[in-house]
Amino acid sequence: KQEVTQIPAALSVPEGENLVLNCSFTDSAIYNLQWFRQDPGKGLTSLLLIQSSQREQTSGRLNASLDKSSGRSTLYIAASQPGDSATYLCAGVDSNYQLIWGAGTKLIIKP
Amino acid sequence: EAGVTQFPSHSVIEKGQTVTLRCDPISGHDNLYWYRRVMGKEIKFLLHFVKESKQDESGMPNNRFLAERTGGTYSTLKVQPAELEDSGVYFCASSQRTANTGNTIYFGEGSWLTVV
Repeated sequence: KQEVTQIPAALSVPEGENLVLNCSFTDSAIYNLQWFRQDPGKGLTSLLLIQSSQREQTSGRLNASLDKSSGRSTLYIAASQPGDSATYLCAGVDSNYQLIWGAGTKLIIKP
Repeated sequence: EAGVTQFPSHSVIEKGQTVTLRCDPISGHDNLYWYRRVMGKEIKFLLHFVKESKQDESGMPNNRFLAERTGGTYSTLKVQPAELEDSGVYFCASSQRTANTGNTIYFGEGSWLTVV
């Protein structure tokens, strides 16, 4: 059974820093992995999707990597801004075509 | 292009009452999903429609929950009778192809349900 873990649960850094959010999964039989962002009281916004055959995806200041053999994905945020403050969730598509979610990392960027 | 829309955005009902949540997927998306997040827990899968057919409903918690997608367009999720533990955020999502194909899944803003 696929399980997804995100570390840390919360992170607070000064504006301008580069940071890494971690996501680990127990079953390497993962079709793809998506990173989402959720602002307080809002829905889920897809940030990046990495297919199982890919190793990374980039969008602007965001870079996500996927290492199936080690069961890990990272989300790298460069030059963080206060507007990046949100909860970041990773989710992997398992063999049942369901998204299995981590609990999320609450990120606060201090001005 | 309109995204996934959900209604109501917030609902407060008493235990034992009925609530119906509605989801309008992105036009042309055959795949529609329901997920929910209860307080302090991870988001969990509820069910998956392909057009009007239930592809997978293994995540539905019990028979108090009924989902429909008549005509393969919008979907409803009815909770009857609602219990306190049903409180949470119910997310609807849609995609053009199934999740395993690498298709991005688009989520709605969620329906925030509070049962008192």
